[in-house]
Amino acid sequence: GQNIDQPTEMTATEGAIVQINCTYQTSGFNGLFWYQQHAGEAPTFLSYNVLDGLEEKGRFSSFLSRSKGYSYLLLKELQMKDSASYLCAVRGFGYSGAGSYQLTFGKGTKLSVIP
Amino acid sequence: DTGVSQDPRHKITKRGQNVTFRCDPISEHNRLYWYRQTLGQGPEFLTYFQNEAQLEKSRLLSDRFSAERPKGSFSTLEIQRTEQGDSAMYLCASSPTWTSTDTQYFGPGTRLTVL
Repeated sequence: GQNIDQPTEMTATEGAIVQINCTYQTSGFNGLFWYQQHAGEAPTFLSYNVLDGLEEKGRFSSFLSRSKGYSYLLLKELQMKDSASYLCAVRGFGYSGAGSYQLTFGKGTKLSVIP
Repeated sequence: DTGVSQDPRHKITKRGQNVTFRCDPISEHNRLYWYRQTLGQGPEFLTYFQNEAQLEKSRLLSDRFSAERPKGSFSTLEIQRTEQGDSAMYLCASSPTWTSTDTQYFGPGTRLTVL
């Protein structure tokens, strides 16, 4: 089975840096995704990691350690519009044992950016 | 590229009624996914198509749920004899087959309320 844990809520100040952690236990691993979701809207893609290390994309970076089952999303120079839920999702293997394209999501971390 | 579209955006129905939702994926995306999301939770995988073939289906998916993608383009998700527990946001996503990341792009969702 799949188990993905991330903090429920976080608060950070505008202009600061925040790190959102995600730990996972899965029967297989075929990539980790981070999505941003504003209230009442669809998730939007932020980043993808399949190999260990850091992926940087503008103000957002994502890190992966497969041996530790751990990832984090780093948001720099926080803006008020970054207030949203951040979803960690793992692509593993289907229950048939074959390669799978389904994503298993964590419950999301609700980030509040305050002035 | 107009993005993934879903129709209707909102649906209110009475318990026991049947409902059908439609999803139009991004043009030329071969893979199409359905997820369900309830308040405070991450999206939960329901089923996945590659072209017109339904390749994966969640074990948690009741037999009241059925999905089709007859021509490999748009898809429909039908829920028969709706129950109050079916109230949720139903999200559709699509992804291309020609990239290594297979990033899923989500539509705006259909919010179902069962009275």
